[in-house]
Amino acid sequence: ETGVTQTPRHLVMGMTNKKSLKCEQHLGHNAMYWYKQSAKKPLELMFVYSLEERVENNSVPSRFSPECPNSSHLFLHLHTLQPEDSALYLCASSQSVTGNTIYFGEGSWLTVV
Amino acid sequence: GIQVEQSPPDLILQEGANSTLRCNFSDSVNNLQWFHQNPWGQLINLFYIPSGTKQNGRLSATTVATERYSLLYISSSQTTDSGVYFCAARYSSASKIIFGSGTRLSIRP
Repeated sequence: ETGVTQTPRHLVMGMTNKKSLKCEQHLGHNAMYWYKQSAKKPLELMFVYSLEERVENNSVPSRFSPECPNSSHLFLHLHTLQPEDSALYLCASSQSVTGNTIYFGEGSWLTVV
Repeated sequence: GIQVEQSPPDLILQEGANSTLRCNFSDSVNNLQWFHQNPWGQLINLFYIPSGTKQNGRLSATTVATERYSLLYISSSQTTDSGVYFCAARYSSASKIIFGSGTRLSIRP
């Protein structure tokens, strides 16, 4: 238990579906992150939020839409995904965006069919 | 650009063996972490070690910041140590954490 909880753990969705991944951290951290891990590729940073404001967006397609309603919750809204978007999506948090230990959730395995 | 390189990419050992995993980084860091990714995908924090040496049971890590590398030592390996080990570095000039491509460790019984 790292204090970062992701739901659902597994998700299968069609290319026309709309779904969301949820992340909640119980650590009192101010920064939250979404990472994507595809087979045989390094972890890719998707989004960074600091105190509910997006501070980084790494050229992620608009079919991925993040939302950070407060410093404890982070969502990733998914719409009209492609099969190549199938991957492990990892949420993480840290005390601040610089210089601190980052803690990961258990991940959400996404399969797009 | 800033790079984090890990070696070896794959390592297969018998239970009870010792191992050393290496992480090289291309610039000064203010944050260096080691993680173990278990078969279910979760990244488990092992060490936060921007410099110096730390030990936790059978695992220890050393970062020599001036020479831009970090080492993770696993002694008396167990099958539960199998998985992928990542190092990740955060550089003082950016908020981005850069991950290495990992070392896949397989411990055979």
